[in-house]
Amino acid sequence: EDQVTQSPEALRLQEGESSSLNCSYTVSGLRGLFWYRQDPGKGPEFLFTLYSAGEEKEKERLKATLTKKESFLHITAPKPEDSATYLCAVIGAGNQFYFGTGTSLTVIP
Amino acid sequence: EAQVTQNPRYLITVTGKKLTVTCSQNMNHEYMSWYRQDPGLGLRQIYYSMNVEVTDKGDVPEGYKVSRKEKRNFPLILESPSPNQTSLYFCASTLGVGQGSDEQFFGPGTRLTVL
Repeated sequence: EDQVTQSPEALRLQEGESSSLNCSYTVSGLRGLFWYRQDPGKGPEFLFTLYSAGEEKEKERLKATLTKKESFLHITAPKPEDSATYLCAVIGAGNQFYFGTGTSLTVIP
Repeated sequence: EAQVTQNPRYLITVTGKKLTVTCSQNMNHEYMSWYRQDPGLGLRQIYYSMNVEVTDKGDVPEGYKVSRKEKRNFPLILESPSPNQTSLYFCASTLGVGQGSDEQFFGPGTRLTVL
């Protein structure tokens, strides 16, 4: 069964303190791994798509990486505006998307 | 502006009273989907549609119906709502899956309470 597990559930960082969020997955025939950001009361907002092991993508203070079993979202020198819930999702050989339960990030000034 | 719209945004109803949540996208996307989001369970796919007149069940389809008569619209129908369908619902669309442009665009959400 396709499955996505994210850790930690919650993370508190001081402004400027870099860290990583983890997304481990089990999927038949990975066709894409996605990272989204979700602010309270809003719909998820797309950040990155990764398609194959070894791929990396960057956007401002965020960098996503992918291996055959997991993905990391690295946050470098975070700012308070980076506070949000970060969601990981996959699509496999079928046409369904599977989401993890997310990591709630709080960046303290 | 490229967007996914949902209506209503908030709805309080009673058990058994049929309701429809509308979803519309203006990006000419092929793939549309409905999710529910519950604390501790994350986003779970209810139904999805690869194209007009093609719909498939996701992980939690019980108690829901959908239809895709036009490319832009994908309404979610609750024929006889029950309290366990109280949740935050999101509609999403993407150009297509497995085509290198499969990031999903999400609507603003519909918060449904069934009493």
